[in-house]
Amino acid sequence: GDSVTQMEGPVTLSEEAFLTINCTYTATGYPSLFWYVQYPGEGLQLLLKATKADDKGSNKGFEATYRKETTSFHLEKGSVQVSDSAVYFCALSDSGSARQLTFGSGTQLTVLP
Amino acid sequence: DGGITQSPKYLFRKEGQNVTLSCEQNLNHDAMYWYRQDPGQGLRLIYYSQIVNDFQKGDIAEGYSVSREKKESFPLTVTSAQKNPTAFYLCASSIAREAVYTEAFFGQGTRLTVV
Repeated sequence: GDSVTQMEGPVTLSEEAFLTINCTYTATGYPSLFWYVQYPGEGLQLLLKATKADDKGSNKGFEATYRKETTSFHLEKGSVQVSDSAVYFCALSDSGSARQLTFGSGTQLTVLP
Repeated sequence: DGGITQSPKYLFRKEGQNVTLSCEQNLNHDAMYWYRQDPGQGLRLIYYSQIVNDFQKGDIAEGYSVSREKKESFPLTVTSAQKNPTAFYLCASSIAREAVYTEAFFGQGTRLTVV
């Protein structure tokens, strides 16, 4: 079955530091890949997505590239801000699974001023 | 504004009671989903529906029930058979097309606590 493995957290960084959160996946079909962000007490918001190999998703300074050869979709940001503190979820939607999302376990990011 | 509305935001349940969580969307999406989130864990799928009057069990459907009588509504009932219902419940919706994989849009969640 489909699965998503995310880097264990929590991650604590100083403001303006570089961020990487690793994400790898297994899927039976040709998945689309997503990063969602969850702020405290709220639902999930889509951060970025990529629908085919070598696509790069980007939004608000965050980027992730769909790497089919390594089955990875790592999230990066060059300079984090305190407002980026949240939980980040990697997810996939697979053609073989009724297009429902399979989520990773989430990575808690805390950015200190 | 288009979106998904979950209510209530907080819900308290006594042992042995059934409770129903509301989820309404005005995005004209065909597919709707219920997820459960426990502290420090990812989201687990409870039920999903891709069309009115049809729904499928997800990974952890035991102790839960749903209905989909209208396109815009997908209520979740947490029954007394669910032994550990305290969790954060998230409803989502998405366009369900054969060859287009679109993202899911989430509600703000309902935090259910057993007292």
